[in-house]
Amino acid sequence: ETGVTQTPRHLVMGMTNKKSLKCEQHLGHNAMYWYKQSAKKPLELMFVYNFKEQTENNSVPSRFSPECPNSSHLFLHLHTLQPEDSALYLCASSQEGSGDYEQYFGPGTRLTVT
Amino acid sequence: QKEVEQNSGPLSVPEGAIASLNCTYSDRGSQSFFWYRQYSGKSPELIMFIYSNGDKEDGRFTAQLNKASQYVSLLIRDSQPSDSATYLCAVGYTGGGNKLTFGTGTQLKVEL
Repeated sequence: ETGVTQTPRHLVMGMTNKKSLKCEQHLGHNAMYWYKQSAKKPLELMFVYNFKEQTENNSVPSRFSPECPNSSHLFLHLHTLQPEDSALYLCASSQEGSGDYEQYFGPGTRLTVT
Repeated sequence: QKEVEQNSGPLSVPEGAIASLNCTYSDRGSQSFFWYRQYSGKSPELIMFIYSNGDKEDGRFTAQLNKASQYVSLLIRDSQPSDSATYLCAVGYTGGGNKLTFGTGTQLKVEL
């Protein structure tokens, strides 16, 4: 596979469930990101990982827990979510330190919290 | 608070016309500028980036950057119905590392 992949593509979960989103990048990049996209709002940066180290936590509630085991994989663990957390969750990657700043997105996970 | 502003639209243009999309940003330290295209129900796709003042052309697309006026624009020549999408402007700033601030996007409709 090429580019950035995400699974699952769609997820419906209850407020008491625990689930995880997975992202994998095949671009040889060293930085990965989680974004949240809600209707009528700009993309919101949630977390940034550079070289597997978390460098940004944009005031995200603790019910979202990221994990980056290596520079190619990124997870977002979800627990006790609220209905307002329903959104499109996007993973992206880039090559930090190269002087290029382009980020490439995966297809996203459409999350519905019931 | 770093802000990126875009007119939400919709911007309607006839097929074959030039579509002009604009974006303004608040931080004078911004150094990198991106245009993403997002079709309904899909993820953003990078179509252009520009780092220096002036114009950058790629096929039917031209990005224009004016740092003094703090705006960046995207021109789409010979617009096609397949160009109908939401166009997101994103800005990176000095000292921000690899963080981008996104606008809310402009919806473009290319009509037959």
